[in-house]
Amino acid sequence: DVKVTQSSRYLVKRTGEKVFLECVQDMDHENMFWYRQDPGLGLRLIYFSYDVKMKEKGDIPEGYSVSREKKERFSLILESASTNQTSMYLCASGPGERAFFGQGTRLTVV
Amino acid sequence: AQSVSQHNHHVILSEAASLELGCNYSYGGTVNLFWYVQYPGQHLQLLLKYFSGDPLVKGIKGFEAEFIKSKFSFNLRKPSVQWSDTAEYFCAASPRAGGSYIPTFGRGTSLIVHP
Repeated sequence: DVKVTQSSRYLVKRTGEKVFLECVQDMDHENMFWYRQDPGLGLRLIYFSYDVKMKEKGDIPEGYSVSREKKERFSLILESASTNQTSMYLCASGPGERAFFGQGTRLTVV
Repeated sequence: AQSVSQHNHHVILSEAASLELGCNYSYGGTVNLFWYVQYPGQHLQLLLKYFSGDPLVKGIKGFEAEFIKSKFSFNLRKPSVQWSDTAEYFCAASPRAGGSYIPTFGRGTSLIVHP
């Protein structure tokens, strides 16, 4: 089975903190994605990567950055967390025709 | 920019009722279409997908979806729902862009099935 693992299920951070969300996949997928999921808004794409060190902005990249130094790992960085970034964050990876999702990280910024 | 619309945000049904969830996409080119499901407390899982061929696609757990190109639609159906189908359902579309696969999701439909 494909496994996409997000390092934390729940996180609570303070406003202004730098936050790292880590995601690891074990299937050698080229494509990796970060989404945020909010009630009534569905999944919105923050960033994606189709190769090591390659990244592209999604629909809502403001306030976020990403890092992909190794193929299996895709990190989402909140440079200075704000309360409007309180959300569920979903990482996904895929071989090019579908996506496999992690369990999600529920981030609360206080 | 591509977009995906799901018309039903909340659906409440009794067991054995029939289900149809609407999904429309806007994109001028060829798209791959998907339905994902998220059961309470679980991660998103693929329910079914359409790339080409027969426009009626069968998925897991008795679900099916029909691609109607002229209507830009990919509606999800199940003839008789069960309590265990209670979940959130997401329609997604992905054209190929720069050689990458980038799915765009709808806002989701929350389905509650009463026993």
